[in-house]
Amino acid sequence: AIRITQSPSSLSASTGDRVTITCRASQGISSYLAWYQQKPGKAPKLLIYAASTLQSGVPSRFSGSGSGTDFTLTISCLQSEDFATYYCQQYYSYPPTFGQGTKVEIK
Amino acid sequence: QVQLVESGGGLVKPGGSLRLSCAASGFTFSDYYMSWIRQAPGKGLEWVSYISSSGSTIYYADSVKGRFTISRDNAKNSLYLQMNSLRAEDTAVYYCARVSVDCSGGSCHPGNWFDPWGQGTLVTVSS
Repeated sequence: AIRITQSPSSLSASTGDRVTITCRASQGISSYLAWYQQKPGKAPKLLIYAASTLQSGVPSRFSGSGSGTDFTLTISCLQSEDFATYYCQQYYSYPPTFGQGTKVEIK
Repeated sequence: QVQLVESGGGLVKPGGSLRLSCAASGFTFSDYYMSWIRQAPGKGLEWVSYISSSGSTIYYADSVKGRFTISRDNAKNSLYLQMNSLRAEDTAVYYCARVSVDCSGGSCHPGNWFDPWGQGTLVTVSS
């Protein structure tokens, strides 16, 4: 199975900050990567697929980039509703695998 | 609107069985592949199983192969997960999720990212 290493595991930031989360795949996965946001007690919500395509309805302050093995999720101007845990997921090959998550906390 | 609602979770003893259901609405269920994904308490996400729109293609994670069975009833817009020989490590919130469709290449095929997800149902395996 393809391993996904996500970093950092947690970060503290303030409203208005620019936040970057990274995922690295154990082998090349082209652009077959998705990003999800999960708030406590809720189901994950799709933010981005195909590494950089914003899901309909997701604010434009979220963006994704990368291909091959290295990927980035950027939140350009952190809002209060963005404090959550973020996961990346590769779908290049079965089984689909997830990063271990990044918890974005209030500084 | 598109909605997925899981049910059937609960407390079960090790070695026991449980059947989860997922009721779908707001979309043509029979057109979509579906998956189960789980999350142990305080942990990350783990994909469990996948079933094609017709039910003819099925995949399982190695951790559940031979113990769990995924199925669907397109007439009832429902997805199921039969879980047998349950272990403590199967304790988790189980989510059903619709497998996306990727039409970027001119033809459409399963995209294998997940959207949307149901609210989840908690399965606790404990004596």
